[in-house]
Amino acid sequence: GDSVTQMEGPVTLSEEAFLTINCTYTATGYPSLFWYVQYPGEGLQLLLKATKADDKGSNKGFEATYRKETTSFHLEKGSVQVSDSAVYFCALMLQGGSEKLVFGKGTKLTVNP
Amino acid sequence: NAGVMQNPRHLVRRRGQEARLRCSPMKGHSHVYWYRQLPEEGLKFMVYLQKENIIDESGMPKERFSAEFPKEGPSILRIQQVVRGDSAAYFCASSPRRGNTEAFFGQGTRLTVV
Repeated sequence: GDSVTQMEGPVTLSEEAFLTINCTYTATGYPSLFWYVQYPGEGLQLLLKATKADDKGSNKGFEATYRKETTSFHLEKGSVQVSDSAVYFCALMLQGGSEKLVFGKGTKLTVNP
Repeated sequence: NAGVMQNPRHLVRRRGQEARLRCSPMKGHSHVYWYRQLPEEGLKFMVYLQKENIIDESGMPKERFSAEFPKEGPSILRIQQVVRGDSAAYFCASSPRRGNTEAFFGQGTRLTVV
């Protein structure tokens, strides 16, 4: 079945460090790919998305590129801030069906000053 | 334009009671999705509804769980005879139409069964 695998956390970084959170997927069709962020006690917010191969999603200094050949959608940020501390979820959505999201387990990021 | 509103934010139920979780989608949105987040897990799809219709309930447990989205009023996720394993955060998301790749999430209802 369709699934998303993302790197296990937690991840702890110092402010201004480089961030990479790996995400790979398995899908029967051609999915759209997403990164969501969940701040403590809050719901999920869409961070960025890409709907086809080689697209790059970007927002708030984060970016991820849809790599069909490696079935990956790794999240990167060049310089993290304390305010980026949250749980990050990679997800896919298959078009044409019920368009439900399939999520990874999440990666908790803590950024220390 | 208010976002997706879920209530209550926190709900405590004793084993065997019923839990009702409400979700008001964003204005103009007629598609609602429910997800469950167990501790230390990602979100799992439960059910997808359009006004007065269940489109996909493939993620719903076969017993005790039901969902509706009436013509008027919020979507309701109902859990009968709750058990400890139902303790989780339940999130609702809405979108304006089918084929929209962006769903907007509510803040969730945290259900605790004691």
